[in-house]
Amino acid sequence: AQKVTQAQTEISVVEKEDVTLDCVYETRDTTYYLFWYKQPPSGELVFLIRRNSFDEQNEISGRYSWNFQKSTSSFNFTITASQVVDSAVYFCALTLRDDKIIFGKGTRLHILP
Amino acid sequence: DAGVTQSPTHLIKTRGQQVTLRCSPKSGHDTVSWYQQALGQGPQFIFQYYEEEERQRGNFPDRFSGHQFPNYSSELNVNALLLGDSALYLCASSSGWGGGQPQHFGDGTRLSIL
Repeated sequence: AQKVTQAQTEISVVEKEDVTLDCVYETRDTTYYLFWYKQPPSGELVFLIRRNSFDEQNEISGRYSWNFQKSTSSFNFTITASQVVDSAVYFCALTLRDDKIIFGKGTRLHILP
Repeated sequence: DAGVTQSPTHLIKTRGQQVTLRCSPKSGHDTVSWYQQALGQGPQFIFQYYEEEERQRGNFPDRFSGHQFPNYSSELNVNALLLGDSALYLCASSSGWGGGQPQHFGDGTRLSIL
């Protein structure tokens, strides 16, 4: 069975601090895809990044970076120099080739001014 | 470029009633998935439609059914509503089936059961 665990339920940091959101996944398949989504208070889930299981290269996009490590089954997300607009619930998710997305329970991030 | 649109935005029903939620996918997308998100939880996969057929189904009872039309839009029907069906229902669309394509989500329909 597939599973995604986001152990951090809620995190609060002061603006401009760096923050890392943890994600651990479980699957026996060798082909899978990992995602991060952001859900602001408005409710719409916003796609941030997709990685496939064969590409462990880390990625940086502006203030966002992602660290994918198959050895520890982790796909962590770091926000550098956080801003108030980053406040949201962040979901890590896993899908196999059938496209059925399995979401973690989310991490609620508060960026304090 | 219109994104995923869902209607209605909010809905209030009573136990035992039936409800239909609607979704239009993002332009160029042909696959539609539905998710239920209870308060404080991650979205739970209900089912997915591609080429007007249900391709995948999550752990939801038969009270939850759906349909996809030739224009790729989709409906989610829930019969015999229970209090526990109160949730945000999210529709997501993507291009093709299989291959782990990113899914683009609508704003959701908030369903309240009294």
